[in-house]
Amino acid sequence: DADVTQTPRNRITKTGKRIMLECSQTKGHDRMYWYRQDPGLGLRLIYYSFDVKDINKGEISDGYSVSRQAQAKFSLSLESAIPNQTALYFCATSEMVTSEQFFGPGTRLTVL
Amino acid sequence: AQSVTQPDIHITVSEGASLELRCNYSYGATPYLFWYVQSPGQGLQLLLKYFSGDTLVQGIKGFEAEFKRSQSSFNLRKPSVHWSDAAEYFCAVVSTSGTYKYIFGTGTRLKVLA
Repeated sequence: DADVTQTPRNRITKTGKRIMLECSQTKGHDRMYWYRQDPGLGLRLIYYSFDVKDINKGEISDGYSVSRQAQAKFSLSLESAIPNQTALYFCATSEMVTSEQFFGPGTRLTVL
Repeated sequence: AQSVTQPDIHITVSEGASLELRCNYSYGATPYLFWYVQSPGQGLQLLLKYFSGDTLVQGIKGFEAEFKRSQSSFNLRKPSVHWSDAAEYFCAVVSTSGTYKYIFGTGTRLKVLA
């Protein structure tokens, strides 16, 4: 079984809809991250969490919110989706801040 | 501000040829540096990392990278490329001074010709 899983893997939605992307991990890591990937822009950090009670904004947090329900679960929400949020979203975990990050398979989100 | 630059968006090499992917960083102290690979339809996987010590680091799949402080570079190399190496490669740096940042480069897409 994969160490970091993301659901759904693909999602098509309409402008204005609320969307939640979920991430679960079995690595036992405290640190979890949400990124979005756009062609030519690499990966950009949306939010990160160093433990259950610690949530921090990343580089591009506007229009997004997160919830850390447990050590193993970190959800990303788009309260009112817009077309420029169409992207590939990745969840990742790490043991320490400076450690390797372990990535999920990604969620491809399309906002029409 | 900290940054990572991958100057080459696309690189095409023939199978069996050598490969070098460039990565330059901007960071005040000695950084934590990483190379990741992303195969089509998959998440990123770590190839190798540098924290300190020997400036030539070995990674998985026959890759290596050399940290050159004087040039602020961390270039990825492979002596002989295989068709399965076709993927997108990302360099990353972690900043631990001030606000935490894990900064990825924009990636280099590698195409391998048979």
